[in-house]
Amino acid sequence: EVQLVESGGGLVQPGGSLGLSCAASGFAFSTYAMNWVRQAPGKGLEWVSSISGSGDNTYYADSVRGQFTISRDNSRNTVYLQMKGLSAEDTAVYYCAKDSGQNSGNYFDNWGQGILVTVSS
Amino acid sequence: DIVMTQSPDSLAVSLGERATINCKSSQSIFYSSNNKNYLAWYQQKPGQPPKLLIVWSSTRESGVPDRFSGSGSGTDFALTISSLQAEDVAIYYCQQYYETPRTFGQGTRLEI
Repeated sequence: EVQLVESGGGLVQPGGSLGLSCAASGFAFSTYAMNWVRQAPGKGLEWVSSISGSGDNTYYADSVRGQFTISRDNSRNTVYLQMKGLSAEDTAVYYCAKDSGQNSGNYFDNWGQGILVTVSS
Repeated sequence: DIVMTQSPDSLAVSLGERATINCKSSQSIFYSSNNKNYLAWYQQKPGQPPKLLIVWSSTRESGVPDRFSGSGSGTDFALTISSLQAEDVAIYYCQQYYETPRTFGQGTRLEI
């Protein structure tokens, strides 16, 4: 059974930084791309970032490019999202989502429960 | 970016009745080289993450009840629930994976 467990969320002040982690199990982690998708309170879904199975290729939404960094450690079956320069617009539940393929660009076939990031003073 | 537009924004259907949600993409998401539409549907119940229902416009994921069906091609798609059950109350999202950034529709809230 695929399991994705996010951690690292919480309250951060505007302009601050925060790192999220997603621990994966139940599948051959290194052979699948991984993603972060966020959902602002009461709003829809927004894809944020992807990383290929090897970690060689990364992709970002325009809204976070230069501000967020995605990475992965295939030895730890974990994907990370480092966020800096946070603003209220980044307040959301952040979901870790498994890609259906090795390279980014497929559908999201498994999702974590999500972790709340709140940016507020 | 490909814009995905769902209609209606909300929908109330009686138990046992048919529900249809529409999704339109701003450009074709059909690849003629493999004859596939790069369109997925997700279901999100309150307080839960999204759940993948349908891929390639019309292929149900394993375990998804057969009352859920997807249709359409090119730019116009639909998700149909043939006989609404109480547990189908949720927000439904379409998503294109034809190109990056992968984009979602705004969601359709389905109520009884």
